[in-house]
Amino acid sequence: AQSVTQLDSHVSVSEGTPVLLRCNYSSSYSPSLFWYVQHPNKGLQLLLKYTSAATLVKGINGFEAEFKKSETSFHLTKPSAHMSDAAEYFCVVSGINTGKLIFGQGTTLQVKP
Amino acid sequence: DGGITQSPKYLFRKEGQNVTLSCEQNLNHDAMYWYRQDPGQGLRLIYYSQIVNDFQKGDIAEGYSVSREKKESFPLTVTSAQKNPTAFYLCASSTDGGNEQYFGPGTRLTVT
Repeated sequence: AQSVTQLDSHVSVSEGTPVLLRCNYSSSYSPSLFWYVQHPNKGLQLLLKYTSAATLVKGINGFEAEFKKSETSFHLTKPSAHMSDAAEYFCVVSGINTGKLIFGQGTTLQVKP
Repeated sequence: DGGITQSPKYLFRKEGQNVTLSCEQNLNHDAMYWYRQDPGQGLRLIYYSQIVNDFQKGDIAEGYSVSREKKESFPLTVTSAQKNPTAFYLCASSTDGGNEQYFGPGTRLTVT
């Protein structure tokens, strides 16, 4: 069975400092992994996805994530946080052959001026 | 302008009433999904449909029903049997067999 664990429920950074949101996954096969962002009372927007190509994945708005099979991790990073990055972030793994997505509990990113 | 629309954005109902949430997509996607989101939790799958006239229960289907009579539409009915219906409901779609899902803006349902 597939599962995903987001290691921090809340992360707070200052504007202009790096962002690190941590995600570990469990999968019996080579997974597809995603990061989605959700601003308050909005739908989810895809930030980036890993589908067994390059292990370093670049997404929108300066975010990137690195797939590390040995550590079963898919952490999301950004070199410099912007106030507009404040949102809820979800790490997601896909279910095999079903199209179903399994969501982590989410990490709330707070960006302080 | 392609995308997924959900209406209404906010919905209020009295306990004991059934209510139907709308989800429409013009992306020509075969698969559609309904999720429920509660504060501090990730999304939980209610129902999904991979093709017209077919749908499957997700992880929390009890108290909900769906139909998929048209490719572009996947309405969700929250019945009076759903014990805790107040939540944020999100609809999504994807291409056949595709993993990437596109989400609508959501409907916040409040039942009192």
